[in-house]
Amino acid sequence: AAGVIQSPRHLIKEKRETATLKCYPIPRHDTVYWYQQGPGQDPQFLISFYEKMQSDKGSIPDRFSAQQFSDYHSELNMSSLELGDSALYFCASSGVGAGANVLTFGAGSRLTVL
Amino acid sequence: RKEVEQDPGPFNVPEGATVAFNCTYSNSASQSFFWYRQDCRKEPKLLMSVYSSGNEDGRFTAQLNRASQYISLLIRDSKLSDSATYLCVVNPYVSWKLVFGTGTRLLVSP
Repeated sequence: AAGVIQSPRHLIKEKRETATLKCYPIPRHDTVYWYQQGPGQDPQFLISFYEKMQSDKGSIPDRFSAQQFSDYHSELNMSSLELGDSALYFCASSGVGAGANVLTFGAGSRLTVL
Repeated sequence: RKEVEQDPGPFNVPEGATVAFNCTYSNSASQSFFWYRQDCRKEPKLLMSVYSSGNEDGRFTAQLNRASQYISLLIRDSKLSDSATYLCVVNPYVSWKLVFGTGTRLLVSP
């Protein structure tokens, strides 16, 4: 079965650079979530989208922005990168009906800021 | 105080042991509860949802006590493959912003 696809899997950037992460949800899933997980930390909710509109916002820095496109894929844009942005970024998606509150996570994108 | 708190780990148990994890949540309006499993450097994967009546899936049993705002996970007959971090996850309200606990690491040894 198709899963949540994230790209790139690994990304190395320098301070003050910009990075873009992409997420392709499971087909027919209409909600996308972004989570950030620092080393030894639990996943922290950043932002979510439902039907291409922002549905919820968590601890996402102002330097970050995200959107969901008409094909339901989502992109997380991070600017003015800081060392503390080094983390594993997970995208998750959920569908409708009985599965609406069950999130399926992608394998994550590991960002290293040098 | 964190919104979702879990037992500190790690739990080191021998194969075949029974182990229990506990989790408390602070928001009494929380609607949905889950246990996710996360292997090192991998994504969290849903282990099971937690229902008010309690539910069982093979060797795994989850319980919810709304009055005490407490969730538990019991693993019977532990296998080496059960070694992972177990995350207690709560949906605080009607939004789908899941809140994760810090996780409890389980290490099952031969």
